Amino acid sequence: KAGVTQTPRYLIKTRGQQVTLSCSPISGHRSVSWYQQTPGQGLQFLFEYFSETQRNKGNFPGRFSGRQFSNSRSEMNVSTLELGDSALYLCASSSVPAGGRRGTDTQYFGPGTRLTVL
Amino acid sequence: SQQGEEDPQALSIQEGENATMNCSYKTSINNLQWYRQNSGRGLVHLILIRSNEREKHSGRLRVTLDTSKKSSSLLITASRAADTASYFCATDNYGQNFVFGPGTRLSVLP
Repeated sequence: KAGVTQTPRYLIKTRGQQVTLSCSPISGHRSVSWYQQTPGQGLQFLFEYFSETQRNKGNFPGRFSGRQFSNSRSEMNVSTLELGDSALYLCASSSVPAGGRRGTDTQYFGPGTRLTVL
Repeated sequence: SQQGEEDPQALSIQEGENATMNCSYKTSINNLQWYRQNSGRGLVHLILIRSNEREKHSGRLRVTLDTSKKSSSLLITASRAADTASYFCATDNYGQNFVFGPGTRLSVLP
């Protein structure tokens, strides 16, 4: 099976702009989670989608939003970019959502999108 | 707040030596998982240990879990230069999403 793919791999934007990142999960996986990774804050959970519904949301402002399509592909959008949004954005897929995971279920991560805000 | 806390933050060893990293967490968990990340790339899943398991092996990796102390350790035996990476523990907390620790940066010197 192909792994989790994310596009684009690199992005450079300026403050005030908006950006959309895309994630295609492993075939058959219906849960997609997004994480932000920065040197200062580490890996932080943004949100999770399962079957086109947002299941969980982390502690991020409303400028961060996402959606999931019927084919399980997901996008996240950041509006009005700030310098502090510069980060590696990671997407992870799983066959079951967080609430339904058994002891052996895990998440598989994509390579990430490196966003730089100037 | 972060659930997992890795210790040490950075570790430098010679090739062939063993590397041990520790992780502590705060609440009940469904399982604990270790991931590796090379140079700001995606995370690679290494090993999962369930809350009712105490030890697990996978190749040169050995993971232990002590739920009474809420801690886990990852041992990499006979390390290689290719093991140079950051290692993260992540806890799966029954319905919540994974919570990651800050990671341990491992440098294996040739």
